[in-house]
Amino acid sequence: NAGVTQTPKFQVLKTGQSMTLQCAQDMNHNSMYWYRQDPGMGLRLIYYSASEGTTDKGEVPNGYNVSRLNKREFSLRLESAAPSQTSVYFCASSITGEKLFFGSGTQLSVL
Amino acid sequence: DQQVKQNSPSLSVQEGRISILNCDYTNSMFDYFLWYKKYPAEGPTFLISISSIKDKNEDGRFTVFLNKSAKHLSLHIVPSQPGDSAVYFCAAGDPKAAGNKLTFGGGTRVLVKP
Repeated sequence: NAGVTQTPKFQVLKTGQSMTLQCAQDMNHNSMYWYRQDPGMGLRLIYYSASEGTTDKGEVPNGYNVSRLNKREFSLRLESAAPSQTSVYFCASSITGEKLFFGSGTQLSVL
Repeated sequence: DQQVKQNSPSLSVQEGRISILNCDYTNSMFDYFLWYKKYPAEGPTFLISISSIKDKNEDGRFTVFLNKSAKHLSLHIVPSQPGDSAVYFCAAGDPKAAGNKLTFGGGTRVLVKP
């Protein structure tokens, strides 16, 4: 049982490049989330999808877009990467939103 | 404006002693609280939770205390073990908020010395 799988694990981008972070869960969860973790800031919500077909902004959505491709998959896209987006990104899923299951993270550096 | 704060960024404790991690929140609508543990290069994993109708929840060596009037919760680890060395995040949720999202604190790094 894989749980929440994120790809890639590491990525280095140049300013202005684009990329998509992929996330898939095999727990049949309705809700999926993208967080970023920065030192001292904890985990901040970028976007979430409460159910298949819906997406909503979280606390720090600027510079990102998301797609809930189906119940299993939720991708995060950076259209034009900026150094401020250097962070560790975590995808998570849950049945109700209370208890989250996280992926192992993507470490992104934007030069 | 951080609604959930962990004021101690780090904590060092001797093996076998008690670790106490603190968390304060400002939003009175938060109705349930969780602690997550995170090892390097891994995602956070759920540790323990408590709802607002309780003031204490225990699971083995881990106990969470909630003081609603003070908007404060704490996590006690007794006895601390070297494998407990990790970053701990507290999180709070408002079930009436759109998306039922969790708000996380900044984390406390715990080092348990053998």
